[in-house]
Amino acid sequence: DAGITQSPRHKVTETGTPVTLRCHQTENHRYMYWYRQDPGHGLRLIHYSYGVKDTDKGEVSDGYSVSRSKTEDFLLTLESATSSQTSVYFCAITAGAGDTQYFGPGTRLTVL
Amino acid sequence: DQQVKQNSPSLSVQEGRISILNCDYTNSMFDYFLWYKKYPAEGPTFLISISSIKDKNEDGRFTVFLNKSAKHLSLHIVPSQPGDSAVYFCAASAYGGATNKLIFGTGTLLAVQP
Repeated sequence: DAGITQSPRHKVTETGTPVTLRCHQTENHRYMYWYRQDPGHGLRLIHYSYGVKDTDKGEVSDGYSVSRSKTEDFLLTLESATSSQTSVYFCAITAGAGDTQYFGPGTRLTVL
Repeated sequence: DQQVKQNSPSLSVQEGRISILNCDYTNSMFDYFLWYKKYPAEGPTFLISISSIKDKNEDGRFTVFLNKSAKHLSLHIVPSQPGDSAVYFCAASAYGGATNKLIFGTGTLLAVQP
């Protein structure tokens, strides 16, 4: 257990509304990541953070923004949700040797 | 263009037999490879990894083999158990370091029949 929680775990929203997903970790890990999982695509990196206020884009960053104002929280915001952003979102941290990433339980987001 | 490919969407194996999950990659700069297991409604769980300086790594019932010349890795599970039924993802990264991005395959659904 890497001490990662995500909230909310499920959310249904309407097209055009803003949505913020939260990832919280309790073990002071420096690196945090947001992924989305879709059928036929595996997991794809949206944004990642390498420290407080230090973030960078991943493979599928369009339509998403992130913020990290303190070590333990990494927020993912959909400024104006679209149906193509219906997905399962996972947060991860890096711990231990190499590039081993550990994942949170996920947030299932449905955009109607 | 998919840099990490899992060409078998699903695999069915009898309990007690060997499960072999395969993964191919195209980027010769990848130097670290990982396997994750995922149950429905849960996050992926790290299983085992291998560095490109090795060709084999074992952890209990799980062994990962790396063939760099073929750009191919495989995960062997022996013996397979019903609790191993899950989606398995392989992932790869280049250059090492925590900021490097993991590239995931599309996953293989393993069903272990009792």
